[in-house]
Amino acid sequence: DTGVSQNPRHKITKRGQNVTFRCDPISEHNRLYWYRQTLGQGPEFLTYFQNEAQLEKSRLLSDRFSAERPKGSFSTLEIQRTEQGDSAMYLCASSVSGTGGSGYTFGSGTRLTVV
Amino acid sequence: DQQVKQNSPSLSVQEGRISILNCDYTNSMFDYFLWYKKYPAEGPTFLISISSIKDKNEDGRFTVFLNKSAKHLSLHIVPSQPGDSAVYFCAAKPQAAGNKLTFGGGTRVLVKP
Repeated sequence: DTGVSQNPRHKITKRGQNVTFRCDPISEHNRLYWYRQTLGQGPEFLTYFQNEAQLEKSRLLSDRFSAERPKGSFSTLEIQRTEQGDSAMYLCASSVSGTGGSGYTFGSGTRLTVV
Repeated sequence: DQQVKQNSPSLSVQEGRISILNCDYTNSMFDYFLWYKKYPAEGPTFLISISSIKDKNEDGRFTVFLNKSAKHLSLHIVPSQPGDSAVYFCAAKPQAAGNKLTFGGGTRVLVKP
C-alpha cells in the first residue's frame, strides 16, 4: 500500500466551472476525511466518512460542495460553480476508527486554483 | 473563531540548538493534542501527541509539554537539525469528535546549519 493518493495534484479552472477531486485512502482504513488549507493557515475540517456514511459536515462545506464515498473505499469531492475563494489545497486523510489523530495519514493534496 | 492558535508564524534557529514552538487553545473540551510536520508539496505527517491526562510526552528529540490550566502546549526539538526545517501544526480534538482535528495556523521553522 502506497499511502493516501490524491488526484489530480494540481487543478486550474475558470470561475464557474465544476471540478472533482479523488482520494484513495489506505485500504484498511475505514475513516476518510477532507480538509482544506489556504495559504498561511492550518488545515480546516470539511467532512468525514466512516465507511460509506458521511458522518459530519463542516459549515464551511457550502451547498456547492459535495463529497461521496460510494463503496467505502475511494472518495470524491466535487465543487460546483467554482469561485476564486475556493482556491486552496484540498487534503484527504484516512484512519482506522479509534486510533486517535495519530493514526491519520494525509495525502499530498490537490491544489486548486480558480482563475 | 480560532480555537487553536500558533502565534509565531516563523522561527529561525541554529543547528544544534533548541526549537520551541508554542500553541494555545480555547476549547475546554479538547483533551488530545498533536503536532504535525509538513514539508512543501507533501501532506502533514504525524510527529507526536499528548493526552490531557499527561503533562509531558517525549519521543527522541521531540518533547511536547501540556499546561491544561493555561490551555497551552509547546513542542521542543532538541537538538534541531536542518531536516527539521518545515511547517509545524498544532492540532487538538475532544474525546468524542470522531477524530476530527482542529489545527492551528502553523509555525514555519528554519534550522540554519
